[in-house]
Amino acid sequence: KNQVEQSPQSLIILEGKNCTLQCNYTVSPFSNLRWYKQDTGRGPVSLTIMTFSENTKSNGRYTATLDADTKQSSLHITASQLSDSASYICVVSAEVPGNQFYFGTGTSLTVIP
Amino acid sequence: DAGITQSPRHKVTETGTPVTLRCHQTENHRYMYWYRQDPGHGLRLIHYSYGVKDTDKGEVSDGYSVSRSKTEDFLLTLESATSSQTSVYFCAIRDRVITGYTFGSGTRLTVV
Repeated sequence: KNQVEQSPQSLIILEGKNCTLQCNYTVSPFSNLRWYKQDTGRGPVSLTIMTFSENTKSNGRYTATLDADTKQSSLHITASQLSDSASYICVVSAEVPGNQFYFGTGTSLTVIP
Repeated sequence: DAGITQSPRHKVTETGTPVTLRCHQTENHRYMYWYRQDPGHGLRLIHYSYGVKDTDKGEVSDGYSVSRSKTEDFLLTLESATSSQTSVYFCAIRDRVITGYTFGSGTRLTVV
């Protein structure tokens, strides 16, 4: 069964600290993996997209990694800011006709002063 | 969000009444989607469209219908709203696989 699991479910960190969010998937055949940031009361916004051949991709203070062999991805946030408080959602798409997208339930990150 | 708007943003309705949510895009994207988001479930696909008058069901389509008479508009209808349909509904559009989704800002629907 195609699934996407994220951990931890929630996380609280101090402003300025780093953190890493995890995404494990069983989606096959794999097409690509995206990380989205969802602020409270808003729709998700794409942070990064990674294809099979990519191991690391950065977007400012956000760095995503992908290990296609172990089917794991991580999102590392450096020098966290209060504005990083949000839900982070991992989405994996399958290489099938019409494409199929599988959503994780997200990690809720709270950055406190 | 740029290029995609949802209306209304908030709605409270009574059980048994029909409700229609609207998604409008200005990007001329082929694919449009309706998702619902509930605590502990993440985003779940209700229906999607791959062109005018071309729609298909998602994993949680029971109790919902959709219509797409124009490229820019995708309507989600709850024929007879139930309390279990209280949720936040997101519309999304997509051009090509590699571009991913662009989501609307959501509609918070409460069925009392």
